[in-house]
Amino acid sequence: GAVVSQHPSWVICKSGTSVKIECRSLDFQATTMFWYRQFPKQSLMLMATSNEGSKATYEQGVEKDKFLINHASLTLSTLTVTSAHPEDSSFYICSASRKSNSPLHFGNGTRLTVT
Amino acid sequence: DQQVKQNSPSLSVQEGRISILNCDYTNSMFDYFLWYKKYPAEGPTFLISISSIKDKNEDGRFTVFLNKSAKHLSLHIVPSQPGDSAVYFCAARLTGANSKLTFGKGITLSVRP
Repeated sequence: GAVVSQHPSWVICKSGTSVKIECRSLDFQATTMFWYRQFPKQSLMLMATSNEGSKATYEQGVEKDKFLINHASLTLSTLTVTSAHPEDSSFYICSASRKSNSPLHFGNGTRLTVT
Repeated sequence: DQQVKQNSPSLSVQEGRISILNCDYTNSMFDYFLWYKKYPAEGPTFLISISSIKDKNEDGRFTVFLNKSAKHLSLHIVPSQPGDSAVYFCAARLTGANSKLTFGKGITLSVRP
């Protein structure tokens, strides 16, 4: 069964509004979670590494003020897309591993459409 | 700069035959490689992995081969089944990178009944 749960699975919002996406590890504690983004027919691009109890680590080119990450507990990380614009429309996927150096498990992703 | 490359965007195979999906990488510091399968509107599902100290790993119908000198790995599926039709991503991890993965662009496999 699923080990990483992501919510919502899809969301449509108006330009200028903010959207929060939740990622939960279901039966294990994840000190680290990863947020990816995928454009159509493209690879999964790592956006940031979410660290429980500390600041997230963002990849080059990803605006930390635009994509706010909070990892307040060992089973929950949230990604907030602030002041969303149509170019933010994409498929956002979170992931976590049960333990260090084991395969990542992914959530089912969130399809964000900004109108 | 694409460090993990899946140069063929698609592959079509007859049911029952072998599917061979290829992946090349450029960074010699990658020490762990994974294959993920992805259906539309879903997150990737882990399929099989291989450590850089091995050259082959097998799990049922799925076998991954690693050629370190060529910086090349391949996923073999035999026999292929219609349910295998999906996008397959090759991913690689740097030594000590705490699970952080670099993905290829994926290859769409279609298995014809």
